[in-house]
Amino acid sequence: DAKTTQPNSMESNEEEPVHLPCNHSTISGTDYIHWYRQLPSQGPEYVIHGLTSNVNNRMASLAIAEDRKSSTLILHRATLRDAAVYYCILRQTSGSRLTFGEGTQLTVNP
Amino acid sequence: GAGVSQSPSNKVTEKGKDVELRCDPISGHTALYWYRQRLGQGLEFLIYFQGNSAPDKSGLPSDRFSAERTGESVSTLTIQRTQQEDSAVYLCASSLGQGWGVEQFFGPGTRLTVL
Repeated sequence: DAKTTQPNSMESNEEEPVHLPCNHSTISGTDYIHWYRQLPSQGPEYVIHGLTSNVNNRMASLAIAEDRKSSTLILHRATLRDAAVYYCILRQTSGSRLTFGEGTQLTVNP
Repeated sequence: GAGVSQSPSNKVTEKGKDVELRCDPISGHTALYWYRQRLGQGLEFLIYFQGNSAPDKSGLPSDRFSAERTGESVSTLTIQRTQQEDSAVYLCASSLGQGWGVEQFFGPGTRLTVL
């Protein structure tokens, strides 16, 4: 499986933007980039996904580097509820499982 | 709501006993997944069901683990002769089907503690 690398932890202040980086230098041409997050004591929830172009939805934006070797999840205005572990995942081309790494623990300060 | 549900929410058992964990996926979702999450770690894939196809069991850690799914509904994960290293949160997810862009919806998990 292609591997992703994320910082172990990041901090942000409430109401400020947050940029969560992910490196995936061994990504293959047809791997989609998915982001999920896991709030304390809950199952993960889908945030966003993309292939080549930047993507926006109601939760976040995903900026994908031109060479696709890295991506950034952008939370435009962090709230306390955004404190969670954020996972950057490459979707296997031949299967449907999600391969989770350690993720980034985001702390949001009031 | 109509999300993925799992039962029990918590299970404490003694080493050597068998346990059965249940997952009710979202109605109409043909794909169902089981994952395991040890304390402080990411999720490990266990098994995947897609419609009537043979399940992908490649993530099951040993032959003590098995899972079944009845049609496109309920699934049960069975762990025989539990060991302390089986202690973890077991998460179930479902999705509309297979595909690279298809979102998985997760249940709240079953926390298993093996004494």
